[in-house]
Amino acid sequence: AQSVTQLGSHVSVSEGALVLLRCNYSSSVPPYLFWYVQYPNQGLQLLLKYTSAATLVKGINGFEAEFKKSETSFHLTKPSAHMSDAAEYFCAVSEGGGYQKVTFGTGTKLQVIP
Amino acid sequence: NAGVTQTPKFQVLKTGQSMTLQCAQDMNHEYMSWYRQDPGMGLRLIHYSVGAGITDQGEVPNGYNVSRSTTEDFPLRLLSAAPSQTSVYFCASRKSSGSSYNEQFFGPGTRLTVL
Repeated sequence: AQSVTQLGSHVSVSEGALVLLRCNYSSSVPPYLFWYVQYPNQGLQLLLKYTSAATLVKGINGFEAEFKKSETSFHLTKPSAHMSDAAEYFCAVSEGGGYQKVTFGTGTKLQVIP
Repeated sequence: NAGVTQTPKFQVLKTGQSMTLQCAQDMNHEYMSWYRQDPGMGLRLIHYSVGAGITDQGEVPNGYNVSRSTTEDFPLRLLSAAPSQTSVYFCASRKSSGSSYNEQFFGPGTRLTVL
């Protein structure tokens, strides 16, 4: 069965500092991996996705994530945090096939300190 | 395109009442899903549909019912509301094939409180 673990339910960074949100996955087959962002009182929006092409995936708003099979990780990074990055971030995994049920992590709330 | 729309935005129910959460999409997506979001638990799949007339259970289906009579609409029914169903409900849709087929589009959510 597929699963996702997000380390740290809350992360605080200073404006301009590196953002690193951690995600580890478990999957019995090569997975599809996703990062979603949720701003307050809104739905989820796709940031980026890994679908077995390049292991370094670039997304919107300057975010990127690297798929590391040996570490079963898909950490999300951004070189310089902006106040507008404050939101909740969800990592998700899908094993593909047919409907492709997606399993979400429990989320990490990012606080950006001015 | 309006994308995925959900109504109502907020709802308060009493225990035992029933209601329907509406979801509609105008992107001609085959797949539609209902999730609930609870603090510290991420999103959990309630029910999903792979096309009109075809639905299946997700991870937490008890107490909920769905139907899919058209491609566009996927309502979620609470049969007899319980306080444990207090949550934020999200509807999502995506294509079944082609480019970006595994990208889900989410609605804005319905915040439900059951007293």
